[in-house]
Amino acid sequence: DTGVSQDPRHKITKRGQNVTFRCDPISEHNRLYWYRQTLGQGPEFLTYFQNEAQLEKSRLLSDRFSAERPKGSFSTLEIQRTEQGDSAMYLCASSPGRRPQNEKLFFGSGTQLSVL
Amino acid sequence: DAKTTQPNSMESNEEEPVHLPCNHSTISGTDYIHWYRQLPSQGPEYVIHGLTSNVNNRMASLAIAEDRKSSTLILHRATLRDAAVYYCILRVFTSGTYKYIFGTGTRLKVLA
Repeated sequence: DTGVSQDPRHKITKRGQNVTFRCDPISEHNRLYWYRQTLGQGPEFLTYFQNEAQLEKSRLLSDRFSAERPKGSFSTLEIQRTEQGDSAMYLCASSPGRRPQNEKLFFGSGTQLSVL
Repeated sequence: DAKTTQPNSMESNEEEPVHLPCNHSTISGTDYIHWYRQLPSQGPEYVIHGLTSNVNNRMASLAIAEDRKSSTLILHRATLRDAAVYYCILRVFTSGTYKYIFGTGTRLKVLA
């Protein structure tokens, strides 16, 4: 078990391009979260999956953002027509989803997106 | 959304105890109090969590006020590696979903 893995670590793109990030959660974790973090701020919730079902989306997630978790394993976050305001660290986290009293988040190292 | 309030920054000398405070006056009965910390260029790392009783683990201790409206993370002997941003957050169960709501955290500086 190597923890939550995110790819790529860094992404530089031009405004208007599409980008896709991948997250591999800890195996057998059935809950998966995406967060966005800008400099000096705490992580902001974007979306949440229970297995393959996307159960909640933040209003921060505009129509240009889409996330999937096929077969309840890895997840992808796609941003279409990127804007400079999308520049941020995108963090993925997973949790076991079994006993509520033991629930906690395990984060990946994030993908740093820079939109030029 | 349930919110927490923390000081923006704190300083501590190496090998001394550190008490990081957090206010969460709007906490509900089923909300868990979680602490995470984040080193530069890394994702947050779990530290400790609790519901009503004080908790201890190998990293830290969590002291929860009797009314649950505040809590304190205690690092017993700060080291230089403990320098990080510490987030006190509430884990809220709403609409069938666990939500972890982060604030801006406390930046801890450890002086050698």
